[in-house]
Amino acid sequence: AQSVTQLGSHVSVSEGALVLLRCNYSSSVPPYLFWYVQYPNQGLQLLLKYTTGATLVKGINGFEAEFKKSETSFHLTKPSAHMSDAAEYFCAVRVPNTGNQFYFGTGTSLTVIP
Amino acid sequence: GAGVSQSPSNKVTEKGKDVELRCDPISGHTALYWYRQRLGQGLEFLIYFQGNSAPDKSGLPSDRFSAERTGESVSTLTIQRTQQEDSAVYLCASSLAPVAGTQYFGPGTRLTVL
Repeated sequence: AQSVTQLGSHVSVSEGALVLLRCNYSSSVPPYLFWYVQYPNQGLQLLLKYTTGATLVKGINGFEAEFKKSETSFHLTKPSAHMSDAAEYFCAVRVPNTGNQFYFGTGTSLTVIP
Repeated sequence: GAGVSQSPSNKVTEKGKDVELRCDPISGHTALYWYRQRLGQGLEFLIYFQGNSAPDKSGLPSDRFSAERTGESVSTLTIQRTQQEDSAVYLCASSLAPVAGTQYFGPGTRLTVL
């Protein structure tokens, strides 16, 4: 079975500081990679995804992530945190041709300090 | 509707009772997923429907869990003889394409088993 590891269940940053949320996966083949965000009292929504092509992917709200095959990572970054970025972030993986399952990490709760 | 809807939003039941959770996917979305999210944990895949194909039930935790979907419309997740460990948020997601397709999530049903 695949696994997705999100280091740090809680991350706090100051407003205007860099946001870095880590995601590592286990897969012998390059997977499809996703970041979802869940704002308080709302459903999950897609931030960005990587399937093929350029390894640096840009998403909504100024977020981006880079697929690094050698490190089996897909870390999420944003240069300058806003208060509105406070939410729960989930990394997810799907391995092509291995079935229909998406594997989700346990989530990282981001707090932005004014 | 514009998005995925789920009902009820909250359900409190007694141990041993059966419950039925409903998901209305986005119109035209052929793929539909059910997930379980326990407190403080990531999303756990339960079942996947794609068009008229046989569903992928590999994530169902026990035979007390079952799900149905009529064509490409509404899906219901049924939990029989509920147990306290079934308490969780149950999320439904739909997508246009099963492979690397963006999943659109509903707001979830919070199930509490007393």
